[in-house]
Amino acid sequence: SQQGEEDPQALSIQEGENATMNCSYKTSINNLQWYRQNSGRGLVHLILIRSNEREKHSGRLRVTLDTSKKSSSLLITASRAADTASYFCATDEGNTGKLIFGQGTTLQVKP
Amino acid sequence: GAVVSQHPSWVICKSGTSVKIECRSLDFQATTMFWYRQFPKQSLMLMATSNEGSKATYEQGVEKDKFLINHASLTLSTLTVTSAHPEDSSFYICSARDSMLNSPLHFGNGTRLTVT
Repeated sequence: SQQGEEDPQALSIQEGENATMNCSYKTSINNLQWYRQNSGRGLVHLILIRSNEREKHSGRLRVTLDTSKKSSSLLITASRAADTASYFCATDEGNTGKLIFGQGTTLQVKP
Repeated sequence: GAVVSQHPSWVICKSGTSVKIECRSLDFQATTMFWYRQFPKQSLMLMATSNEGSKATYEQGVEKDKFLINHASLTLSTLTVTSAHPEDSSFYICSARDSMLNSPLHFGNGTRLTVT
């Protein structure tokens, strides 16, 4: 099952610009996580934000969480060509430990 | 950091044969592992939760007799695709946690299965 939607589905920007991706979900969550996937590879964890947190930073990444709207955003500042990848949000579902992934955003950063 | 190793990275098999995919946690013990399936340009779909020493929990719509999961030790889970058909061709990814809830998943690099 899919938890929710991500938008945009695809994003193309120039190096140095900021990239913003949004994620919406449907159920109550313990936390929301963002992952990155390079083509044909596994996923790499980027950042985890708990349900009682509103904003979190990690390097060039900034994540916000609005539980009232059931939405989150990932901002990548000063993008680089190496940031080109697919980005997925995932919600931690109840006490099962399962992660349910959003549809993903494909980001292309042009040098 | 925690490392999950998945093998093989790719496999081609003929229709009707079975394929086994291994997922190992290299530097931590994983009582629970998760198996996902991903079609091209799509998201990850959770197939099943693999529990060490007990039966796997399958998601709705996933055939447990077709996708056999064994989690015989704290560091190894296997997924066997039985009697493979071309529609089973996909990217299969395993993942595990090295601690309890509210922690990230560590992913293997995936297995590209092509059934001819």
